[in-house]
Amino acid sequence: AQKVTQAQTEISVVEKEDVTLDCVYETRDTTYYLFWYKQPPSGELVFLIRRNSFDEQNEISGRYSWNFQKSTSSFNFTITASQVVDSAVYFCALSERGGATNKLIFGTGTLLAVQP
Amino acid sequence: NAGVTQTPKFQVLKTGQSMTLQCAQDMNHEYMSWYRQDPGMGLRLIHYSVGAGITDQGEVPNGYNVSRSTTEDFPLRLLSAAPSQTSVYFCASSSTGGLYNEQFFGPGTRLTVL
Repeated sequence: AQKVTQAQTEISVVEKEDVTLDCVYETRDTTYYLFWYKQPPSGELVFLIRRNSFDEQNEISGRYSWNFQKSTSSFNFTITASQVVDSAVYFCALSERGGATNKLIFGTGTLLAVQP
Repeated sequence: NAGVTQTPKFQVLKTGQSMTLQCAQDMNHEYMSWYRQDPGMGLRLIHYSVGAGITDQGEVPNGYNVSRSTTEDFPLRLLSAAPSQTSVYFCASSSTGGLYNEQFFGPGTRLTVL
């Protein structure tokens, strides 16, 4: 069965600290996609990144970086020099290859609170 | 492009009432889906559709009906609302045909069943 685990329910940091959000996944597919979404207090889901299973290169986008390691089935997300605006719930998700469907399996989310 | 729109934004129902959550997209996407978000549970798939006239169940379909008569619209019907259906509902759409195509989410509908 496919599963996404975000063991950190809540994280609280002080502004300018670095923070890493963990994501561990399970799948028997050899081809799959992993995602991170941000859900700010306003409630909408904001797409952050998509990574396919064949690309293990780390990615950096400004203060955000992602570390994908197939050997440990992890896709961790690091925010460098956190800011109050980073406060949100962050979801990791895994695509399920059910034929032509694009079903997503979500983790339970990590609530990040960045204190000024 | 409006993207994915959902109405209403908020709704309060009494147990046993029925209602329809509306979802529309203007991107000509074939794939549409409904998720519910509950505290500590993440988002869970309710129903999905890979094209007009085709729907299928997701992880938590009980108590919900869907139909897809047009490419643009994918309404979610609650036949007899129960307090367990209190949740935030998200509609999403994406194109198909590739290995995976990005899903676009609507703004959500917050439903409370008393």
